[in-house]
Amino acid sequence: EPEVTQTPSHQVTQMGQEVILRCVPISNHLYFYWYRQILGQKVEFLVSFYNNEISEKSEIFDDQFSVERPDGSNFTLKIRSTKLEDSAMYFCASTAGGLDTQYFGPGTRLTVL
Amino acid sequence: GIQVEQSPPDLILQEGANSTLRCNFSDSVNNLQWFHQNPWGQLINLFYIPSGTKQNGRLSATTVATERYSLLYISSSQTTDSGVYFCALQSNTGKLIFGQGTTLQVKP
Repeated sequence: EPEVTQTPSHQVTQMGQEVILRCVPISNHLYFYWYRQILGQKVEFLVSFYNNEISEKSEIFDDQFSVERPDGSNFTLKIRSTKLEDSAMYFCASTAGGLDTQYFGPGTRLTVL
Repeated sequence: GIQVEQSPPDLILQEGANSTLRCNFSDSVNNLQWFHQNPWGQLINLFYIPSGTKQNGRLSATTVATERYSLLYISSSQTTDSGVYFCALQSNTGKLIFGQGTTLQVKP
């Protein structure tokens, strides 16, 4: 069964450094999402992406964040200058249609020191 | 904005017991999904259930869209059922709005 993959599984970085989190969505899916979950809290929406542009973004997704689909398979989330409060689990999700089941990747645990 | 509330927040069961988890939501539903977050943090899809009832093994779910709630039933619970269960409502724009989750601990 096809699945969403994410790399790395765990990233440790120093405050102020740039990080890029990578996702490979399911191959025939067209809608892509990033969510994050701070430890012990609920999962929060960050951004949705369709047809090579951002469809919607949350208040969390400020100028420090960006997303890109550099080729036909990868979908990346970049944080330009990480803060301590960016420490969280970041999930990528994809779906074939806009209101279909969203399939989640295993997540990248980001730790900012 | 859309509100999603789950109850109970925590639940402790003895292995073999049954349980019902509830998800209330404040808006009409396009899509509702139930997830299990395992101890490694992975979000496992359980059900896509905007309305009606579905069953998958020992798990079943019912969504009553007109009354804005969904229920997840776990029968004959096992220790591997432990973890956090989330429901998530899909907005008109496609994003999922998650509840706070129910943390389930099944004791042997």
